[in-house]
Amino acid sequence: QKEVEQNSGPLSVPEGAIASLNCTYSDRGSQSFFWYRQYSGKSPELIMSIYSNGDKEDGRFTAQLNKASQYVSLLIRDSQPSDSATYLCAAQRTGANNLFFGTGTRLTVIP
Amino acid sequence: EPEVTQTPSHQVTQMGQEVILRCVPISNHLYFYWYRQILGQKVEFLVSFYNNEISEKSEIFDDQFSVERPDGSNFTLKIRSTKLEDSAMYFCASSDIGGRNYGYTFGSGTRLTVV
Repeated sequence: QKEVEQNSGPLSVPEGAIASLNCTYSDRGSQSFFWYRQYSGKSPELIMSIYSNGDKEDGRFTAQLNKASQYVSLLIRDSQPSDSATYLCAAQRTGANNLFFGTGTRLTVIP
Repeated sequence: EPEVTQTPSHQVTQMGQEVILRCVPISNHLYFYWYRQILGQKVEFLVSFYNNEISEKSEIFDDQFSVERPDGSNFTLKIRSTKLEDSAMYFCASSDIGGRNYGYTFGSGTRLTVV
């Protein structure tokens, strides 16, 4: 079973703070990782992808990958109420096209 | 921005009936997928489709399910004899190069309710 684990939350942060979302994966064959945002009743929306160890920044978002620890994280700086959503971590195995999703972490940004 | 279109947005069907969920992927994409999400649960992979054939499928995608690309634009998921546990959001997705490192674009989903 190729598990992707996330803390379901809810995670609450005040507006303007940094939100830190974490994800671990069990399959060492996973090479690409994705963070999706999902608003209630809506489809997942891709925020970031990462496949090399280290940090990758895009605007207010920073993804971090540590393959040795099998750990992926997403930092959201200057959190806004509009960031309130469920954040899904997904892993993709080398040579495969399908994604394995975690259950998601629900984030609430308090104005 | 190009998008993946799914119809219908909601479908209610009686147990044992057949349903067809429809998707129009992004026009220059080559890989197509179906995922489902049971209420409150994780997004689960069903099947991927490339070059007019299934490239990968999960254990969920049993003989009850089939996919088809009947023309150059549509991609369909058929559930032959629906069960109560098939009630879920079904998402279609597409990607240009297998989604590796780039992820997918998901459609807005079809909420299927089996009664």
